[in-house]
Amino acid sequence: AQRVTQPEKLLSVFKGAPVELKCNYSYSGSPELFWYVQYSRQRLQLLLRHISRESIKGFTADLNKGETSFHLKKPFAQEEDSAMYYCALRGLGGSNYKLTFGKGTLLTVNP
Amino acid sequence: ETGVTQSPTHLIKTRGQQVTLRCSSQSGHNTVSWYQQALGQGPQFIFQYYREEENGRGNFPPRFSGLQFPNYSSELNVNALELDDSALYLCASSLGGQGKNYEQYFGPGTRLTVT
Repeated sequence: AQRVTQPEKLLSVFKGAPVELKCNYSYSGSPELFWYVQYSRQRLQLLLRHISRESIKGFTADLNKGETSFHLKKPFAQEEDSAMYYCALRGLGGSNYKLTFGKGTLLTVNP
Repeated sequence: ETGVTQSPTHLIKTRGQQVTLRCSSQSGHNTVSWYQQALGQGPQFIFQYYREEENGRGNFPPRFSGLQFPNYSSELNVNALELDDSALYLCASSLGGQGKNYEQYFGPGTRLTVT
C-alpha cells in the first residue's frame, strides 16, 4: 500500500526564517516523490520532483530512503510562499500511474 | 497552449441523483486522471484514462465511472449520489505511454455539493 504522511496541518513562520515541511512515505517498491503547491485561488501545480533534483523558488527536497522521508526546505521564507503544500508519491515504472497525496500543510509566512 | 479546463465550476445535487463532470485535457495530452478532494484532505485517486481506456482505478465503488473521448477529453459520472460524495473533483492531464509517466497538470476543479 502507498501512504504519504504530512504530520503538520499548519505551519507558521516569519519572513526570512527557515522553513521545513515534513513528509514521510510508505511504499514497498521504488518511489517517485513530488511536492505540489496550491496558492490562494489557484490550481494545484507541481513544485518539484525528486528525480529532477531541481531547486524551484528556492525550495529543495531530498529523498531519504532510509528514513522514508522527502522533507521540503527553504532557507529564507518569503510572504509569497504562503500556500497549501502537498507531498505526493507515485511508483516508478509505466504501470504505476496513481499519485497518492498527503493531507497537506498550510504554510503561512508572516511579515 | 490551452490548460486543463473543467465544467461546471460548482453544482448542487440531491442524494440519489446522478452527475456528470467534464474535463478538457491540455493540448497534446492523451491521459486524464480524476481525483476526489474532500474538505481538509489531499486529493484521492479515482481512476485514469489513457487513449480512451481505463488505465487504473483507485478504491472507489462502481457507481463512479468515466469515459475518455477521441479528442482525449473526459467525463466522470457518479450515480446514486451520497452525502459523502460532496467534494472538489480534480482532473489532471498528462502525456502517457508505455512505461512512461509524465507530469500531471491539474484543472481548477468542480465543487460538488450533495444535499
